Amino acid sequence: SAVISQKPSRDICQRGTSLTIQCQVDSQVTMMFWYRQQPGQSLTLIATANQGSEATYESGFVIDKFPISRPNLTFSTLTVSNMSPEDSSIYLCSVRGSSGNTIYFGEGSWLTVV
Amino acid sequence: SQQGEEDPQALSIQEGENATMNCSYKTSINNLQWYRQNSGRGLVHLILIRSNEREKHSGRLRVTLDTSKKSSSLLITASRAADTASYFCATDRYGNNRLAFGKGNQVVVIP
Repeated sequence: SAVISQKPSRDICQRGTSLTIQCQVDSQVTMMFWYRQQPGQSLTLIATANQGSEATYESGFVIDKFPISRPNLTFSTLTVSNMSPEDSSIYLCSVRGSSGNTIYFGEGSWLTVV
Repeated sequence: SQQGEEDPQALSIQEGENATMNCSYKTSINNLQWYRQNSGRGLVHLILIRSNEREKHSGRLRVTLDTSKKSSSLLITASRAADTASYFCATDRYGNNRLAFGKGNQVVVIP
């Protein structure tokens, strides 16, 4: 399995500001993903973070709102831009394990927008 | 598109009993994965079952997959208070690791 660290674990943000979430993995991984979990809801895939190229976004998510960087095989960031209360969610980083198709998740970053 | 939908059950059982939860999905899949989430924290991976497998075991967990019915079940035997959590199934449709999650089942195990 992979050990995934996310920062911050929790934050309270002002409306209209942006926040960058960091995801660090303890080993090189080919596939990294970002998910959102709104309060009381299930998880929704935001995008696939591609190393060395632009992220691939799912329907309903756009780069201007959720810019993603992936400078190497162990690190990625997700920025939530111009936040509104509707962006209050847990944001989770996930990676594919080194063998097979098991997907592992970080502890999540719990954002509250006020 | 999202798929993978559990019957959104809230299950309350006594410690020592078995807990069963179900998941249904709409399209063909490459694999299906079950996760546990405690109190809105990160997800813990439980089991991955491939489309050509029918049953897998891991400790007190048993997962079945019926591709003809497009459904899966997760059985937790001899439940413990520490099993109290939300359980999610997630489908990987094309084997490209992009998961579609179900709504989740809340399980409460009463000591």
